[in-house]
Amino acid sequence: GAVVSQHPSRVICKSGTSVKIECRSLDFQATTMFWYRQFPKQSLMLMATSNEGSKATYEQGVEKDKFLINHASLTLSTLTVTSAHPEDSSFYICSARDPFSGRRTDTQYFGPGTRLTVL
Amino acid sequence: AQKVTQAQTEISVVEKEDVTLDCVYETRDTTYYLFWYKQPPSGELVFLIRRNSFDEQNEISGRYSWNFQKSTSSFNFTITASQVVDSAVYFCALTAFETGGFKTIFGAGTRLFVKA
Repeated sequence: GAVVSQHPSRVICKSGTSVKIECRSLDFQATTMFWYRQFPKQSLMLMATSNEGSKATYEQGVEKDKFLINHASLTLSTLTVTSAHPEDSSFYICSARDPFSGRRTDTQYFGPGTRLTVL
Repeated sequence: AQKVTQAQTEISVVEKEDVTLDCVYETRDTTYYLFWYKQPPSGELVFLIRRNSFDEQNEISGRYSWNFQKSTSSFNFTITASQVVDSAVYFCALTAFETGGFKTIFGAGTRLFVKA
């Protein structure tokens, strides 16, 4: 089946630095990718919807200047956490929608997640 | 707005017991999709099942079964003869159309402990 990868799987950074997380669809072209954040023992919360070639759509309460999303190609979306602080420490998960999967609009493939720790 | 409620925060059972995880959803859309995912300690989501709103047939896959009832907006998940390896967090999710496109909303999750 379709595979979505994320890199890095884990990252530890100092407060104030920026961190970039990559999300790639490996065997299909994803016109739409999603970014979720999951705090410990909590659910996945949608942060933003990323459409190839256009600006991302952010959910209410998500700072677009802090969480920069770029979807420059049909197989790659990046999330950059700018000026990271300890409260940004979380598990970030991306997903990609395969428009030609035959399952119409409901097929999302999730990446394995990136665990960010900000010291 | 869409909403998914998993009222059971944690469930603990002994191996070989059957266990049912509840999921209640809300949406105004007539076309929507329901999912169950398993999240083991590694964090990676494991897809279990997808159901379309227009297909109320229940499904069985090995020890897993799902009961979809539109009348009560529920999509419950039953594990028969549970095993220790079933211990994980299980999420119910709803994909429906909102302004700007389809979005997926997750329930709070149910943490299942299966003891040997």
